[in-house]
Amino acid sequence: DGGITQSPKYLFRKEGQNVTLSCEQNLNHDAMYWYRQDPGQGLRLIYYSQIVNDFQKGDIAEGYSVSREKKESFPLTVTSAQKNPTAFYLCASSTPRGGLINTEAFFGQGTRLTVV
Amino acid sequence: KQEVTQIPAALSVPEGENLVLNCSFTDSAIYNLQWFRQDPGKGLTSLLLIQSSQREQTSGRLNASLDKSSGRSTLYIAASQPGDSATYLCAVSSTTDSWGKLQFGAGTQVVVTP
Repeated sequence: DGGITQSPKYLFRKEGQNVTLSCEQNLNHDAMYWYRQDPGQGLRLIYYSQIVNDFQKGDIAEGYSVSREKKESFPLTVTSAQKNPTAFYLCASSTPRGGLINTEAFFGQGTRLTVV
Repeated sequence: KQEVTQIPAALSVPEGENLVLNCSFTDSAIYNLQWFRQDPGKGLTSLLLIQSSQREQTSGRLNASLDKSSGRSTLYIAASQPGDSATYLCAVSSTTDSWGKLQFGAGTQVVVTP
């Protein structure tokens, strides 16, 4: 079945440690996104990528980094520079806009990151 | 900057009642609007996508309307069931952004009591 797979489901980070969240999609989508969700708030965009080897900062990119070496994969690294990383992280993908292309966005099941 | 608001933040209804969820946005220059469902601790499930040229979309018991000029969308869920209990989020994609980024509301938490 086509979809987006995020791993791990739960992740614990110690102070000063970098951690990487995995996101893989088999929907053949060009665009991929990382969002952060905090309780009582809407999702906020961290990074996004439309094509391989290209990505752009979103609204809250500080303390995060990404790579896009393959169309199917868009991993997110939470660095030690991110002062408040405890949150629920969601990866999404869609087709790029143009003509009659359906640009519906699909999401993975999320990774809950906790600082210990 | 586009701002998306969902009111109320929480809603409780008895089983069988119709649900009406509201979403408003400040900039009418949208490309599309999407409604999602989120269960506790889970990802987002897409419910309906409405293009800016459309007035409504329907899927089963769900109907979403869009009034772009007034900056509003409404999600109707007919004959609610306990399984409809979840948080519902709306998100818009702006015409000024070709990357398809979504701006989200904070969601409406729905509880349907048996």
